[in-house]
Amino acid sequence: DAGITQSPRHKVTETGTPVTLRCHQTENHRYMYWYRQDPGHGLRLIHYSYGVKDTDKGEVSDGYSVSRSKTEDFLLTLESATSSQTSVYFCAGTDEEYNEQFFGPGTRLTVL
Amino acid sequence: QKEVEQNSGPLSVPEGAIASLNCTYSDRVSQSFFWYRQYSGKSPELIMSIYSNGDKEDGRFTAQLNKASQYVSLLIRDSQPSDSATYLCAVRVGGYQKVTFGTGTKLQVIP
Repeated sequence: DAGITQSPRHKVTETGTPVTLRCHQTENHRYMYWYRQDPGHGLRLIHYSYGVKDTDKGEVSDGYSVSRSKTEDFLLTLESATSSQTSVYFCAGTDEEYNEQFFGPGTRLTVL
Repeated sequence: QKEVEQNSGPLSVPEGAIASLNCTYSDRVSQSFFWYRQYSGKSPELIMSIYSNGDKEDGRFTAQLNKASQYVSLLIRDSQPSDSATYLCAVRVGGYQKVTFGTGTKLQVIP
């Protein structure tokens, strides 16, 4: 969905460094999600948001936090990156009319 | 038992054949079912949604849902090499906005 963008698209960082990934959407999605995708595990939900300043944990939330100060932007923060957080991160939003999720292009994060 | 299960494959079919991808789910109150296609290095792309028992057709794609048996399938007719990708099954439980994904089936269409 061209209405969801992510930045940066690639990032290499070192263990212990804080990292923030940004998701920006122009579709007015109320529900937004952050997933990570790893071989053998598929897509796993990290956190999601159901409105401005309303967020909740997913199945793999440890070590991650999120913030949503306005509808358009949903931020994912790794407070102190670890090598186990090396992954591809996808942001998604839900079209509530059909409850269909659409994904951003992804961010490939490498933690050395 | 995983909530959404798919055979990881690879599933290899010759060009022009029908590819059949299957998915089973564990939660009986699941209400919405989705198929995504994901090319290597790209993000998942929604190709089909199905909400009620039976078949739903869109071009070369047909989604089939059987809630009694808790499975959903995707048929791709006249398979093309460009259909080679990983196909993700996703399930939404009624009343919730969270979707659970299977780990995907890799499809290879052989020219």
